[in-house]
Amino acid sequence: GNSVTQMEGPVTLSEEAFLTINCTYTATGYPSLFWYVQYPGEGLQLLLKATKADDKGSNKGFEATYRKETTSFHLEKGSVQVSDSAVYFCALTSGGSYIPTFGRGTSLIVHP
Amino acid sequence: ETGVTQSPTHLIKTRGQQVTLRCSSQSGHNTVSWYQQALGQGPQFIFQYYREEENGRGNFPPRFSGLQFPNYSSELNVNALELDDSALYLCASSLMEGANNEKLFFGSGTQLSVL
Repeated sequence: GNSVTQMEGPVTLSEEAFLTINCTYTATGYPSLFWYVQYPGEGLQLLLKATKADDKGSNKGFEATYRKETTSFHLEKGSVQVSDSAVYFCALTSGGSYIPTFGRGTSLIVHP
Repeated sequence: ETGVTQSPTHLIKTRGQQVTLRCSSQSGHNTVSWYQQALGQGPQFIFQYYREEENGRGNFPPRFSGLQFPNYSSELNVNALELDDSALYLCASSLMEGANNEKLFFGSGTQLSVL
């Protein structure tokens, strides 16, 4: 079956530091890959996505590249802000289903 | 602001009771999905409704049931509550139109505590 593995959190950074949150996946066929963000007290919001190998999804300074050879979709940002503090979820859909399988989430805490 | 609203925001029940959670979809959306998010976990798919019919179900027992109404709003019902049902319940709406059904719009959730 499908599964998503994310690095354990929390990830604690100072403002303007470089961010990487690792995500690897197991899926049948050719999945689409997503990052969702959940700010405190809110539901999940789609941050970015990639639908085929070597695609790069990007939004709000965040980027992730679909790496089929390593089955990875790591999230990166060059300079984080306090407002980026949230929980980040890696997810995938595959096999013609549009119902995502989510990872456990990684909490990011950014200090001023 | 996604346009998806859920009620209530918080709820406390006791074991064995029944609960109904409500979701109002974003305008124009015809599909609603429900997810259970336990503390420290990712959302787990419960079921999906498309045009008032159940269109997919995750690994949840039959005491989890749902409805979608003609205006595409939705309810999640849970009977015989158990302590492990304590979680954040998320509703997500989307527009299923041909192959384009991947963008989900989530509500802020209902936090259910079972004592």
